[in-house]
Amino acid sequence: EVRLVESGGGLVKPGGSLRLSCAASGFTFRSFSMNWVRQTPGKGLEWVSSISSSSSYIYYADSVKGRFTISRDNAKNSLYLQMNSLRVEDTAVYYCARGSGQLPAADGMDVWGQGTTVTVSS
Amino acid sequence: QSVLTQPPSASGTPGQRVTISCSGSSSNIGTNYVYWYQQLPGTAPKLLIYRNNQRPSGVPDRISGSKSGTSASLAISGLRSEDEADYYCAAWDDSLSAWVFGGGTKLTVL
Repeated sequence: EVRLVESGGGLVKPGGSLRLSCAASGFTFRSFSMNWVRQTPGKGLEWVSSISSSSSYIYYADSVKGRFTISRDNAKNSLYLQMNSLRVEDTAVYYCARGSGQLPAADGMDVWGQGTTVTVSS
Repeated sequence: QSVLTQPPSASGTPGQRVTISCSGSSSNIGTNYVYWYQQLPGTAPKLLIYRNNQRPSGVPDRISGSKSGTSASLAISGLRSEDEADYYCAAWDDSLSAWVFGGGTKLTVL
């Protein structure tokens, strides 16, 4: 069974940092691009970042560029999102999602995790 | 404001056919594949349609997708109560080098 499990969410003060993790299983992790997508309570989906299967191509939404860093460890079947300089508006459920191909721009997200909640508040 | 435009709501009675539109531009829908996701309350999004009109295994054939120019549509026929959910379209945007989503459409089965 293909599975993605996010962890690392929590409550953090504005300006703080948090590192999200996504553990993948049930598929050849190194062969697929990966993505982070977030959803503010009661609102729609917002793409955050994507990384290609070999980490050669990385993309960020303008809203997080310079503050968030996506990375992956193919040996550990894991995806990460380092979030620095967090803002109140970063409060959301963060989903890890598998791309259906090696390149983020080529194929969309086909498998999603259950999400982890990040709350930025003083 | 979302790059892709969807109607905020849609509705239908059981057995009816409903369509949800998704409007974009030449840099996203006009050039790249469209994806559709279903999100049931309190759950993660689920892929419904990929590459404009392809259904993943397990998605019934009463659900279909289409694309024409810079717009796309999701059609659900034989509407059922379990179809009540939020639906999102998505596409890669070449100008932004980003995935863009529609604002979502809340489908109500009356």
